[in-house]
Amino acid sequence: AQTVTQSQPEMSVQEAETVTLSCTYDTSESDYYLFWYKQPPSRQMILVIRQEAYKQQNATENRFSVNFQKAAKSFSLKISDSQLGDAAMYFCAYRSAGGNEKLTFGTGTRLTIIP
Amino acid sequence: DAGVIQSPRHEVTEMGQEVTLRCKPISGHDYLFWYRQTMMRGLELLIYFNNNVPIDDSGMPEDRFSAKMPNASFSTLKIQPSEPRDSAVYFCASSLRVVRSPLHFGNGTRLTVT
Repeated sequence: AQTVTQSQPEMSVQEAETVTLSCTYDTSESDYYLFWYKQPPSRQMILVIRQEAYKQQNATENRFSVNFQKAAKSFSLKISDSQLGDAAMYFCAYRSAGGNEKLTFGTGTRLTIIP
Repeated sequence: DAGVIQSPRHEVTEMGQEVTLRCKPISGHDYLFWYRQTMMRGLELLIYFNNNVPIDDSGMPEDRFSAKMPNASFSTLKIQPSEPRDSAVYFCASSLRVVRSPLHFGNGTRLTVT
């Protein structure tokens, strides 16, 4: 079974600075998809960014980018120019490309933005 | 697009009572998922459906939990009888058939069982 590990329960960053959230996963599959979700205090789960495992190019979405290292099974999220609205729980998630279509989540990282 | 709609947003009930949580997925989505979120266990998949058919219910805690999807636009998660340890936030999510499609989540139902 696939597992997703987020080793940083909490992180903090100064407003306008850059922060990187770590995620590693364990799988024997070669084709899969990885996602980062954000959960603000409103508890809504919001998609931040996704990465296809077959793509070598790292995904970017405005101030959000990932560092995808397939061999190392690592999928970190970088947030540039941090804003107060970025404060939230961030979850890394894995989805198989074949077979079981469920999303497996990590335990989350709580990000605090310091004004 | 109205998004995934869950009701109620909050539910407080007494131990032993029946609880029914409701979900309307995004129109056209083939998959529907029920997740539970707690501080201790994080986000756990309870069950998911493909074209209204349950595919994987291995995450359903016990026989007290049941889920149905009578049609493409409606699903329920029922707990009978409820217990205090069922207190959690329950999320419904839906997605397209294409695996690279993300899950779109509802706002969740916060269940408190006293």
